[in-house]
Amino acid sequence: DAGVIQSPRHEVTEMGQEVTLRCKPISGHNSLFWYRQTMMRGLELLIYFNNNVPIDDSGMPEDRFSAKMPNASFSTLKIQPSEPRDSAVYFCASRRTRTDTQYFGPGTRLTVL
Amino acid sequence: AQTVTQSQPEMSVQEAETVTLSCTYDTSENNYYLFWYKQPPSRQMILVIRQEAYKQQNATENRFSVNFQKAAKSFSLKISDSQLGDTAMYFCASSNFGNEKLTFGTGTRLTIIP
Repeated sequence: DAGVIQSPRHEVTEMGQEVTLRCKPISGHNSLFWYRQTMMRGLELLIYFNNNVPIDDSGMPEDRFSAKMPNASFSTLKIQPSEPRDSAVYFCASRRTRTDTQYFGPGTRLTVL
Repeated sequence: AQTVTQSQPEMSVQEAETVTLSCTYDTSENNYYLFWYKQPPSRQMILVIRQEAYKQQNATENRFSVNFQKAAKSFSLKISDSQLGDTAMYFCASSNFGNEKLTFGTGTRLTIIP
């Protein structure tokens, strides 16, 4: 079975541009998580979904960030407008049940110039 | 709120030796999970081992084992017969029973020396 798929793997953009990160969870998994990894703050949860419904977005840094999950097999994380401090690795993770382990995708390295 | 502390920023060990990575955590919950994730240079987050707090028996996965001390809130990872491929960042993490959120430590960079 394929793991969590993220695209793109690398993204370089200029400040002010819109950035969209994509995630396909493992088939049959009911929950999806977006994490961000930076040197300063480590790994932190941005938002997660259960059955396509956003449950907790308290980790989303500000209104420039938004996430959607239109169906069970696809989610996006959008940053508009992007800023240099958004540069980080963004991970998507999914899990099958509430007691299951979270499995991570390969991450998207975002660089905002 | 949960907190996870890894006090060893970096460690190195000779190939084939045994190494132990430390982790302490704090939680007010009675039911929770503890994890060790490995992040090699490829940056993929890979689950190494998982422990349910209600289980007294320490989890083991091949060369990887944990020493779970619930009263002390300690969760160390032991890697036996270390291999070059074990070189990576290792993150300790915890979550409540509902597994809604993983709280990570700051990581330990482990280098296996040939």
